[in-house]
Amino acid sequence: AQSVTQLGSHVSVSEGALVLLRCNYSSSVPPYLFWYVQYPNQGLQLLLKYTTGATLVKGINGFEAEFKKSETSFHLTKPSAHMSDAAEYFCAVSKLYGQNFVFGPGTRLSVLP
Amino acid sequence: EPEVTQTPSHQVTQMGQEVILRCVPISNHLYFYWYRQILGQKVEFLVSFYNNEISEKSEIFDDQFSVERPDGSNFTLKIRSTKLEDSAMYFCASSLSSGANVLTFGAGSRLTVL
Repeated sequence: AQSVTQLGSHVSVSEGALVLLRCNYSSSVPPYLFWYVQYPNQGLQLLLKYTTGATLVKGINGFEAEFKKSETSFHLTKPSAHMSDAAEYFCAVSKLYGQNFVFGPGTRLSVLP
Repeated sequence: EPEVTQTPSHQVTQMGQEVILRCVPISNHLYFYWYRQILGQKVEFLVSFYNNEISEKSEIFDDQFSVERPDGSNFTLKIRSTKLEDSAMYFCASSLSSGANVLTFGAGSRLTVL
């Protein structure tokens, strides 16, 4: 069975500061990993994904994440937070041939002026 | 950019009533999904649908739920007799293929059961 944990249900950073949102997963098979963002009253939008190849993946809006197999982690980072980054962020894992994603509980990011 | 559209955006219903949530997936996508998110909780998988049949479903997807692709474009989720605990945001998603493909989500339909 697969599962995803996200450390910190709420993270606050100052504008211009580093954003670090943590995601750890468990999977019995090589995982495919995703980060989705949900802005208020909107649906889920893909930020980035890791399937195979380079373990550092870059996404939209300046976000990136690194797959670390030894740590079973896929933390999301952004060097400099912007006010518009305030949203809920979900890490998700899927199997190679499975069809259902397993989402983490989400981390709400607040950006302070 | 192609998108998944969902209607209604918000529905209020009385407990025990039937509800149908509608979704128009991206036109060339073959796999369709419903997820739900109870307020303040995580996004949960309900069901996936391929080739006109359910391919996977979760424990949440009991006999009160059904899905259908009545024509070539719509994908519906029916809740037969709503309960208070069905109040949630329901997200439709579609993907071109299974596996590690990206799911494209709709904006969601908020269901409030009174």
